Amino acid sequence: AQTVTQSQPEMSVQEAETVTLSCTYDTSESDYYLFWYKQPPSRQMILVIRQEAYKQQNATENRFSVNFQKAAKSFSLKISDSQLGDAAMYFCAYRRKVNRDDKIIFGKGTRLHILP
Amino acid sequence: NAGVTQTPKFRILKIGQSMTLQCTQDMNHNYMYWYRQDPGMGLKLIYYSVGAGITDKGEVPNGYNVSRSTTEDFPLRLELAAPSQTSVYFCASSYEVSGSYEQYFGPGTRLTVT
Repeated sequence: AQTVTQSQPEMSVQEAETVTLSCTYDTSESDYYLFWYKQPPSRQMILVIRQEAYKQQNATENRFSVNFQKAAKSFSLKISDSQLGDAAMYFCAYRRKVNRDDKIIFGKGTRLHILP
Repeated sequence: NAGVTQTPKFRILKIGQSMTLQCTQDMNHNYMYWYRQDPGMGLKLIYYSVGAGITDKGEVPNGYNVSRSTTEDFPLRLELAAPSQTSVYFCASSYEVSGSYEQYFGPGTRLTVT
């Protein structure tokens, strides 16, 4: 069975600094999707970034980028120039690329604090 | 587009009561999902649907029922509420086209069973 592990329950970073959130996963599939979702205090789940496993190039979205290491099954999120609005829970998630099996598996989350 | 909407936002139930959590999406997404999020935890899938008339159990379906009579609506029914069902419930939807597999979430419903 697929699993997603986020080993850092909480992290803190100084405003304007860079922080990296870790995520590892376990799967026997060769093609799949990985996601990072942000959940601010409003509880709304917001997609931050998406990576397709067959693409070797790391995904980037403005200040957010990932380090995707397929062989190591690692999918870390880097936030550059941290801002107060980045404070939230961040969930790493995995999805198989199989029709009619669109079940996303979430990690337990990392709570990110931004220090002014 | 309003995206995914959920009602109510908050609800307090007494043990043994029943209720329906409503979920509607206006994006013509074929897939819809119900998750629960317990304090300090990630999301666990309760039920999902790949299209109108088709539903499947997720990881934690016991105590819940769903129906999908239309593409837009995916209500979650709680029968005989129990304190273990105190949680935040999220509805989500997605559209199965290449390169667009992310799920869009509603704002959540906070349910307390006492």
